[in-house]
Amino acid sequence: DAGITQSPRHKVTETGTPVTLRCHQTENHRYMYWYRQDPGHGLRLIHYSYGVKDTDKGEVSDGYSVSRSKTEDFLLTLESATSSQTSVYFCAISESRGQPQHFGDGTRLSIL
Amino acid sequence: AQTVTQSQPEMSVQEAETVTLSCTYDTSESDYYLFWYKQPPSRQMILVIRQEAYKQQNATENRFSVNFQKAAKSFSLKISDSQLGDAAMYFCAYEGFQGGSEKLVFGKGTKLTVNP
Repeated sequence: DAGITQSPRHKVTETGTPVTLRCHQTENHRYMYWYRQDPGHGLRLIHYSYGVKDTDKGEVSDGYSVSRSKTEDFLLTLESATSSQTSVYFCAISESRGQPQHFGDGTRLSIL
Repeated sequence: AQTVTQSQPEMSVQEAETVTLSCTYDTSESDYYLFWYKQPPSRQMILVIRQEAYKQQNATENRFSVNFQKAAKSFSLKISDSQLGDAAMYFCAYEGFQGGSEKLVFGKGTKLTVNP
């Protein structure tokens, strides 16, 4: 299995608080992705990275920011969490275009 | 923007039988990749099969095969000899080259139940 670790696995927080989710990989893959999964929507891309300090927006990027200062780490930040950001968040990595993405185990985030 | 449609929210199959899950997509690109991912109750996302659009031959992986119809923009998944462990959500996904970068677009999924 691809070495991807998401932390935390579960988090409950209050509206208006900042939240940071971490994705760590040991595969040295170039591409890293953050998705959210909600019932009836499948997985939707939030942000992705194609190299250190190279990131771009996905389909549902509003309210989220990311950073990648090292190849192995990709951080997703909710600056001021809202209840609509309650979701399951997945990190994924891939080696190159057209190669399958390998997913972490997900983080369940609840914002009350 | 590319879209992926899975028209069957739920499907069921008897153990040992065959089931086909549908997927259609919309694109103007000629070079792209298609995937099926499986998500069991454990929540893990697991790659089932991958298809390169420039290859006419349909991909197969053991009991899993696809029917790739490029002109019709259709990419269905056939599961033969269904097993209880095949019960899961199945997601079809498209990867193209949108706006200068690679992005994966998922369908909304099909929940597959396998009856003993």
